[in-house]
Amino acid sequence: QITLKESGPTLVKPTQTLTLTCTCSGFSVSTSGVGVGWIRQPPGKAPEWLAIVHWDDDKRYSPSLKSRLTITKDTSKNQVVLTVSRVDPADTATYYCAHNHESVRDHYFDYWGQGVLVTVSS
Amino acid sequence: QSVLTQPPSVSAAPGQKVTISCSGSSSNVGDFSISWYQQLPGTAPRLLIYENSKRPSGIPDRFSGSKSGASATLGITGLQTGDEADYYCGTWDSSLSWVFGGGTRLTVL
Repeated sequence: QITLKESGPTLVKPTQTLTLTCTCSGFSVSTSGVGVGWIRQPPGKAPEWLAIVHWDDDKRYSPSLKSRLTITKDTSKNQVVLTVSRVDPADTATYYCAHNHESVRDHYFDYWGQGVLVTVSS
Repeated sequence: QSVLTQPPSVSAAPGQKVTISCSGSSSNVGDFSISWYQQLPGTAPRLLIYENSKRPSGIPDRFSGSKSGASATLGITGLQTGDEADYYCGTWDSSLSWVFGGGTRLTVL
């Protein structure tokens, strides 16, 4: 079965770079049609999409955060990594990675990781 | 402020029916299929409806979805206390980004 698991620091200082890893199993991040996305959710707020990387290494970013985000995939480890630079307390959130199904007009996240709560504080 | 608009809250009694709306524009809901997510307290969102009206395996048929133009609706019949959760709609946008609704909290009275 498909599972995803996020890992990374739970506490980061302002201005530092946050690096999160999504370890995927049950599918290959390099299989045609596969995408893996990152979504975050500040406490008590709605989810916010951050980025997605597709099987062919096509990458898309949230327009409002694009300058601070980098998403990459490691095919050998079947992992997807997200970095967020110059973090601020407003980046405090639970970060999720999710498997994306995508066709021409149909896009959805069908499997989600359990999430990792990241707090930005000095 | 979210790109997709949902009512902040809805409520109904056990056994009753409730609907949750999701309004977007021609660049998102009007052009791409919608998906719905249920988030129980303290858990990750889970896919409830995809491609406007399809249910993943394991989702009871009490949950239904529909779309018309740039608006979509999630319906839940035979409400149970276990349905109390936050519900989010989401879809792709032609600006090449994914968008979520602001979420609707369902209370089963």
